[in-house]
Parts: sequence; structure tokens; C-alpha cells
Amino acid sequence: ETGVTQTPRHLVMGMTNKKSLKCEQHLGHNAMYWYKQSAKKPLELMFVYNFKEQTENNSVPSRFSPECPNSSHLFLHLHTLQPEDSALYLCASSQDWTGGFVNTQYFGPGTRLTVL
Amino acid sequence: GQNIDQPTEMTATEGAIVQINCTCQTSGFNGLFWYQQHAGEAPTFLSYNVLDGLEEKGRFSSFLSRSKGYSYLLLKELQMKDSASYLCARRTGANNLFFGTGTRLTVIP
Repeated sequence: ETGVTQTPRHLVMGMTNKKSLKCEQHLGHNAMYWYKQSAKKPLELMFVYNFKEQTENNSVPSRFSPECPNSSHLFLHLHTLQPEDSALYLCASSQDWTGGFVNTQYFGPGTRLTVL
Repeated sequence: GQNIDQPTEMTATEGAIVQINCTCQTSGFNGLFWYQQHAGEAPTFLSYNVLDGLEEKGRFSSFLSRSKGYSYLLLKELQMKDSASYLCARRTGANNLFFGTGTRLTVIP
């Protein structure tokens, strides 16, 4: 496997379910990101982890709970979601979380989430 | 909000040149990125500008004017495979990206 992978690619869940999204990067990076992409809205940054430490929480509701056990893996735990949470959830990674150079973020293919 | 504006849709002819504009506020600005996203796929990095001027990469070029809060992506010799959404993103602080809604480009024969 190369690059950034995400599983599952598609997920349908009820509002009372608990599920988790998984992201894995094979690039040797130290920063990982969760984004939400809804129809006709910009990509929204949700969380940032740098060397396994959470550095950013962009006012995300607590029904979304991230976990970063190591620099290669990132999870997004979901519980009691709402239909408006249906979206494409994208994971990205970069060398680290510094902005002094072209610290490109590389994206995974995303998980298409539908909340019924 | 981050006030990043780009046109919603554009159409251009195969072989032609197209310019996609992006305007954004420049307070706390630390670079501007362009990504390409084909339907159902991951965004892929195209270009990065942090200083004023033009960056050229093959058929793709990107320009930035920080004083005007203005950038554009120039695509030359358009090919059918260039049909995609083009996302402008402003970097702030460390490495946080804030995206525009994207411009959906359709290339027609």
C-alpha cells in the first residue's frame, strides 16, 4: 500500500449507531488531519494531530471523537450522528505541522458517510 | 469565515487555456495552495505560492498577489482529463488549510 488509505470507503449508519473511520498513511509523515466535505460546501478542517498530539479542534461537535495511536494511524469515532453529518470524510497527512516550507498535505480517497 | 471565493463552474474547449481565479483575505496568510479533485477521488496537490509572482509547472501555472489577496490557476493545452474540481486553499498559522468551495471545470471537445 502506498500513500494515504482510508477504510471503509462507504458507510451507512443509523443515528444511534457507533462506528469508526480509519486512516493509514505510508509516507513516513508526522501530522495527520481530518476534513469534512459536504455537497456545495468547502472542505472543512476538523482535527489536526502532530506527532500523535492533537493540535487543532475546529469547533467540532463531541459526537466526533478522533484518536491517533501513532503517527501512521488516525481514527474518527462516530456516535449518535445526525443526518446533516452525511458527507465525505477525508484524511490527509503531511511531513509535520510546520508552515515554513511547502508542507504539502496528501489526501486519502475518503469515506462516504450516510446517516439515516 | 475564511472568505475564499472562486467561481462555481467553468467550461473550456480542449486545447485551449483557462484561468481559474481565487480571492482570499490575507491576514495571517502563510501560503496559497491549489488542488485538483476528480469526482469521487482524493484531492491531489497541484501548486503552492507564498511569495508574489508566477510558479510554473508544465501545463499548470499559479500566480499570487498578496497585496490584492488574489491568485489564479492557469491551465494550458487543456485535455479532457483536466475536467475536475479545482480547489484553492489558504494556509494560516502552522499548516492549517482553509479551502474555497472549488471550481468545477468541464473540458469539451
